[in-house]
Amino acid sequence: QVQLVQSGAEVKKPGASVKVSCKASGYTFTSYGISWVRQAPGQGLEWMGWISAYNGNTNYAQKLQGRVTMTTDTSTSTAYMELRSLRSDDTAVYYCARDSIAAAGPDDYWGQGTLVTVSS
Amino acid sequence: EIVMTQSPATLSVSPGERATLSCRASQSVSSNLAWYQQKPGQAPRLLIYGASTRATGIPARFSGSGSGTEFTLTISSLQSEDFAVYYCQQYNNWPQFGGGTKVEIK
Repeated sequence: QVQLVQSGAEVKKPGASVKVSCKASGYTFTSYGISWVRQAPGQGLEWMGWISAYNGNTNYAQKLQGRVTMTTDTSTSTAYMELRSLRSDDTAVYYCARDSIAAAGPDDYWGQGTLVTVSS
Repeated sequence: EIVMTQSPATLSVSPGERATLSCRASQSVSSNLAWYQQKPGQAPRLLIYGASTRATGIPARFSGSGSGTEFTLTISSLQSEDFAVYYCQQYNNWPQFGGGTKVEIK
């Protein structure tokens, strides 16, 4: 069965970086993409970006351009999302989700979420 | 940037009744629209994609319609497990979620 298992909760200070991992199983990793979505406490969903696990092409939300980097390791079927220069409003649950190979689209399987807390 | 607006913000419905949720795009997204359900403490669950195609395993009481800028999610007869927050998402260009509609028990 398809599973996306994310790394554990993180606490970071403002200005630091965080890297969240998302290990996929149960499907051919390089036949799909991965999107990242975050959700601040009590708020709605925010799309962060997408990466093709086939060729590494990326598409990032404009507001995060320059602060976010998404990568994949096809040898371990793992996707990564790194967010730099953290601010308090980056505190959120971060989700990875399986997406289309060619472009960001509907996300049919989701990870369990990773809580990132940014606090001094 | 395409802005997605969902209405109402909260919908109070009795079990067994029909629920109709709306989603409007600030410009046409063709049929590149999905609906998700999210329960507290859980990841979102894909319900509908392509505006009207149910995802795998989604009950027939969930249906989606619309194209262009106006979309609707209908739950024909609400079950207890359907009380949740519902989000629409356009993926025509730079994916964007709506603000969500909370469906609560009346």
